[in-house]
Amino acid sequence: DTGVSQDPRHKITKRGQNVTFRCDPISEHNRLYWYRQTLGQGPEFLTYFQNEAQLEKSRLLSDRFSAERPKGSFSTLEIQRTEQGDSAMYLCASSFHEDNNIQYFGAGTRLSVL
Amino acid sequence: QKEVEQNSGPLSVPEGAIASLNCTYSDRGSQSFFWYRQYSGKSPELIMFIYSNGDKEDGRFTAQLNKASQYVSLLIRDSQPSDSATYLCAVREGNTPLVFGKGTRLSVIA
Repeated sequence: DTGVSQDPRHKITKRGQNVTFRCDPISEHNRLYWYRQTLGQGPEFLTYFQNEAQLEKSRLLSDRFSAERPKGSFSTLEIQRTEQGDSAMYLCASSFHEDNNIQYFGAGTRLSVL
Repeated sequence: QKEVEQNSGPLSVPEGAIASLNCTYSDRGSQSFFWYRQYSGKSPELIMFIYSNGDKEDGRFTAQLNKASQYVSLLIRDSQPSDSATYLCAVREGNTPLVFGKGTRLSVIA
């Protein structure tokens, strides 16, 4: 257990529904990252925050995806109007600038869109 | 487009042998290099990181970096069946997000 918590661990939803995932980073970590991983692929970067500021978003992140980190602690990732192609493992990682920003991953949220 | 290339495997080695996992990267500006282990259905777990050319050893694991050749490798000595997993190579320029390869699946045969 790295100390990064993700909730829920599994989510099954119907196409067109909205889903929201939560990530709680390691307490002193100021950076928080979201990645998506599909079967047979490495994790792909989606977005990251430094404290409450969203510093970068990948071109993979369509308008249906939004992420927040309102108080610089936990973060949420929302997917609106889910599509079957959104089915993946959504991974959260956190890092601390005084630790060379080495990223530690949570257990992930596995999303299945039916 | 920054790319990280790994042979997908599977790489099969007998128990007790040395497993050698390789990774090449396209971005010459990459400064930090990471190896993560991922068991099936689980999240990536950090094994090692390396910043400078040469070798870095940690227990049974040795990371090797050659920036001129844009090549990084991971050696696992005395391989155990519990080492069977997918090994992900990741690179980073500065403090940017990680760019991952697709991973190499390692199978250690008892």
